[in-house]
Amino acid sequence: KNEVEQSPQNLTAQEGEFITINCSYSVGISALHWLQQHPGGGIVSLFMLSSGKKKHGRLIATINIQEKHSSLHITASHPRDSAVYICAVTDKLIFGTGTRLQVFP
Amino acid sequence: KAGVTQTPRYLIKTRGQQVTLSCSPISGHRSVSWYQQTPGQGLQFLFEYFSETQRNKGNFPGRFSGRQFSNSRSEMNVSTLELGDSALYLCASSLGTGINQPQHFGDGTRLSIL
Repeated sequence: KNEVEQSPQNLTAQEGEFITINCSYSVGISALHWLQQHPGGGIVSLFMLSSGKKKHGRLIATINIQEKHSSLHITASHPRDSAVYICAVTDKLIFGTGTRLQVFP
Repeated sequence: KAGVTQTPRYLIKTRGQQVTLSCSPISGHRSVSWYQQTPGQGLQFLFEYFSETQRNKGNFPGRFSGRQFSNSRSEMNVSTLELGDSALYLCASSLGTGINQPQHFGDGTRLSIL
């Protein structure tokens, strides 16, 4: 079993839908990163969080340290949100395998 | 402010050769981390450098090495290349050391081994 599991692996949505991507981990951590990777490879760090919730525009990230679970939500999804979303558990430098999101107009 | 710059963007090598990849961090950032991304293994941490010292290392063989210069620019070297080294190599810079810092990624170097 991987130490960092993401679900779903693939996700398709219609423009405007609310999206949720989940990340569960089995190791102790102090913080977790959510990353976005567009086709071509470039990675953008979306959030780094250690507790509670963070919001940036249409993106919301939550983390529950006790339950070892984090979620990334995208409200009012748009085709430009199509990318691979990766969670990373920073203490152990372990990455999830990513969730490939496609949003269709 | 210029972002993280990685050169070259694409590289083709043959088995047994060696390769050097370069990463210029954001001005003022002193930490550079390197990652390997493959379809099978996903993203994996290679090493982190801060103030010219390796601070952290992932689980890769000794063929993978790196260094950091006094201007914070970093190079990564892979010797005796193997087919399995074909990957996207990403570097990320941050202000301070430790992976619990916001990371700023470059666009990567795509290395193909023939």
